Amino acid sequence: SQTIHQWPATLVQPVGSPLSLECTVEGTSNPNLYWYRQAAGRGLQLLFYSVGIGQISSEVPQNLSASRPQDRQFILSSKKLLLSDSGFYLCAWSEDRITNTGELFFGEGSRLTVL
Amino acid sequence: EDQVTQSPEALRLQEGESSSLNCSYTVSGLRGLFWYRQDPGKGPEFLFTLYSAGEEKEKERLKATLTKKESFLHITAPKPEDSATYLCAVQGLFSGGYNKLIFGAGTRLAVHP
Repeated sequence: SQTIHQWPATLVQPVGSPLSLECTVEGTSNPNLYWYRQAAGRGLQLLFYSVGIGQISSEVPQNLSASRPQDRQFILSSKKLLLSDSGFYLCAWSEDRITNTGELFFGEGSRLTVL
Repeated sequence: EDQVTQSPEALRLQEGESSSLNCSYTVSGLRGLFWYRQDPGKGPEFLFTLYSAGEEKEKERLKATLTKKESFLHITAPKPEDSATYLCAVQGLFSGGYNKLIFGAGTRLAVHP
């Protein structure tokens, strides 16, 4: 069966410091990978998605970047964190289907607090 | 622009008191509508996918239905363990070569003994 791991679960960082959140998927190959951010009282906002190694698309301009160095590894980064980067970050995967329909499967999330 | 609105924002029920959550959507051609359950501090857990109007899916005390403009998540005789935030999301036909889902803000359900 497929599993998704995301870490760290909780992170408290000062403004201006770097960030690295990691996500790995097991039990599947060539998944589509996603980074979402969830703000309190608001829907999940798609930040980045990737359909393959080295292929990253950004949905919104921001202080963050993403990379996919391996097929089942997705990394969310920042060189200098802003207060507004605080939030709950979720990694997700979906099967790479021709029709691209189907559900997303989410990791446990990473709570980032920028002080 | 694709949009999802969920109501109510919060719902408090007594154990055994059945109710429904609403998800209204606007999308340029529906490819799929998804329901998720999210516990506090956790990632969303997939519940159902609905593809066409008139379709229904069931899982234990939950039943999801779909019309051309909205979806309902019916909760029959809920138990305290059904307490969670329920998220609705849609995928449009023109979402591109990946599963771009548009999420609603969710309904926070609290079931009290």
